[in-house]
Amino acid sequence: EADIYQTPRYLVIGTGKKITLECSQTMGHDKMYWYQQDPGMELHLIHYSYGVNSTEKGDLSSESTVSRIRTEHFPLTLESARPSHTSQYLCASSVLTGSSTDTQYFGPGTRLTVL
Amino acid sequence: AQKITQTQPGMFVQEKEAVTLDCTYDTSDPSYGLFWYKQPSSGEMIFLIYQGSYDQQNATEGRYSLNFQKARKSANLVISASQLGDSAMYFCAMSNPGNAGNMLTFGGGTRLMVKP
Repeated sequence: EADIYQTPRYLVIGTGKKITLECSQTMGHDKMYWYQQDPGMELHLIHYSYGVNSTEKGDLSSESTVSRIRTEHFPLTLESARPSHTSQYLCASSVLTGSSTDTQYFGPGTRLTVL
Repeated sequence: AQKITQTQPGMFVQEKEAVTLDCTYDTSDPSYGLFWYKQPSSGEMIFLIYQGSYDQQNATEGRYSLNFQKARKSANLVISASQLGDSAMYFCAMSNPGNAGNMLTFGGGTRLMVKP
């Protein structure tokens, strides 16, 4: 089981502010992911990374950006928050074997509200 | 393209009874994995159980079992002896190595409510 942490858990912020959502994992997993989820709805992949210096866009277009300078850290940044960014953001990690058995383990999520 | 369908938006079950949550999938890849996650109201996603497309036996993890019917492309989750703490959203998901490095495709979820 992976230990994966997200901060903050809850964030209420005004329009136009720059925000960074933090995600860290202690299991040495190469692969990390960011998902966006509206309440009671399915998850949509917005970013993922295969390892250090690797970042890719997911299925759902997002105005956010990510970086992967260290294996354990995968922060997500919104340069100028808007009310349409209000959602829950979930970070996950997994080993990278390329097998269908690579289980993704999730952090507790960040609930973002942009006023 | 891959697709996961969960046709039950919400379900009730009496405490201590068993419940089946439906999941059907669509893929043309022969190698894939099927996962179930639980999401309580607190928001985190908790991994429950995994089934590989080549696995001969149905997966089991404690009170959770996966009823895998490959020909019907279904992967239903069975929870035995329901507990009040089982009340949550449940998501079925599928991965395959050919999908951008094993990305997960999620279904829309089923909200399970356990009645005392």
